[in-house]
Amino acid sequence: DQQVKQNSPSLSVQEGRISILNCDYTNSMFDYFLWYKKYPAEGPTFLISISSIKDKNEDGRFTVFLNKSAKHLSLHIVPSQPGDSAVYFCASGSARQLTFGSGTQLTVLP
Amino acid sequence: DARVTQTPRDKVTEMGQEVTMRCQPILGHNTVFWYRQTMMQGLELLAYFRNRAPLDDSGMPKDRFSAEMPDATLATLKIQPSEPRDSAVYFCASGLARTSGHPGLDTQYFGPGTRLTVL
Repeated sequence: DQQVKQNSPSLSVQEGRISILNCDYTNSMFDYFLWYKKYPAEGPTFLISISSIKDKNEDGRFTVFLNKSAKHLSLHIVPSQPGDSAVYFCASGSARQLTFGSGTQLTVLP
Repeated sequence: DARVTQTPRDKVTEMGQEVTMRCQPILGHNTVFWYRQTMMQGLELLAYFRNRAPLDDSGMPKDRFSAEMPDATLATLKIQPSEPRDSAVYFCASGLARTSGHPGLDTQYFGPGTRLTVL
């Protein structure tokens, strides 16, 4: 039973446009949420996080939105760049565990 | 440029053999995480250490997997005996825990992974 789901395995976006990656979670005990980016043959790298007391966190071109009532998390990348092409994992955590989604492959087309 | 290192990068072995994967966390970090990535399950947390003590290994099959930290500079993940279903990429990550010890709050730095193939 996956507690964190990324229902879109892939997403293609034109350079300069907005990329929106989505994530749903089921465990209401999760109180911290993170996004990681992963290039081939490398480990994931931390991108941005948000705690459950907020509904938005922004860092440059990256914004994470949290909708606690819907148990939904999204990552917006504006504007998208070819270098953003990677697999994006969302992760949700509580005091006892950290659970990752299965990832979404983002391809930004030049 | 501090990095988490993992050895070996690739391992091919036969079913029934013992496999040992090693991780050197970033100097000064006090948390270590072991993950397994498969196509079907994505990234699964196997074990979580803080100050070398295992805090959570509930994600790890106990009968064949074991994780240890002999010292602060080395974490190991062993599989004995290995099975074909263990084939995956195994990632180690390290971080600096906040006082709460909340694994989700710790920014984790991942190593490059060990690609394990069990024939």
